[in-house]
Amino acid sequence: EAGVTQSPTHLIKTRGQQATLRCSPISGHTSVYWYQQALGLGLQFLLWYDEGEERNRGNFPPRFSGRQFPNYSSELNVNALELEDSALYLCASSLRQGTYNEQFFGPGTRLTVL
Amino acid sequence: AQSVTQPDIHITVSEGASLELRCNYSYGATPYLFWYVQSPGQGLQLLLKYFSGDTLVQGIKGFEAEFKRSQSSFNLRKPSVHWSDAAEYFCAVGAREYGNKLVFGAGTILRVKS
Repeated sequence: EAGVTQSPTHLIKTRGQQATLRCSPISGHTSVYWYQQALGLGLQFLLWYDEGEERNRGNFPPRFSGRQFPNYSSELNVNALELEDSALYLCASSLRQGTYNEQFFGPGTRLTVL
Repeated sequence: AQSVTQPDIHITVSEGASLELRCNYSYGATPYLFWYVQSPGQGLQLLLKYFSGDTLVQGIKGFEAEFKRSQSSFNLRKPSVHWSDAAEYFCAVGAREYGNKLVFGAGTILRVKS
């Protein structure tokens, strides 16, 4: 069974540009989560999508946005890039049944802002 | 709010020696607890989880963890470390009440010496 996939692996942008990161969840998973892993800041929760709706949002400015498509894949958009947006962006997916479900992570997209 | 503390930033152990990585959490009710491992430049791999029931949980790669409610701890153990265990380990807590997000500790980097 295929795991969570993310594209691209690496992305290099300049300050002020926009970045689009993509994620495909494990088959059968309806929830997709985005996390940022920046140097010195650790792993921080960004967004949670389920059934096409944004369900929860972390403490990030509005220029971080995303969406979930009918096939449950997801896109993270970062507008007006700043140098401090350089980080590894991790996508995770889970089922959404029962009390709680573990999240399975993809390999990440390394975003570098110059 | 949830929080997770991993007091050890770095740990070095000899190959074949036992390992214990510490994790303390703060949460009002019984949390959902996880340990993930991350190799350099990679995503997170789930080692084990605790939802309820038996407080000693077994995971992959020979790891186990024990949930101690009285100490708010969820320490990760392995009886005999292999060189391939060198990686960064993250403890995380999740809760539906907080919108399913995972809150991660700062991580512990494990070095294995031969």
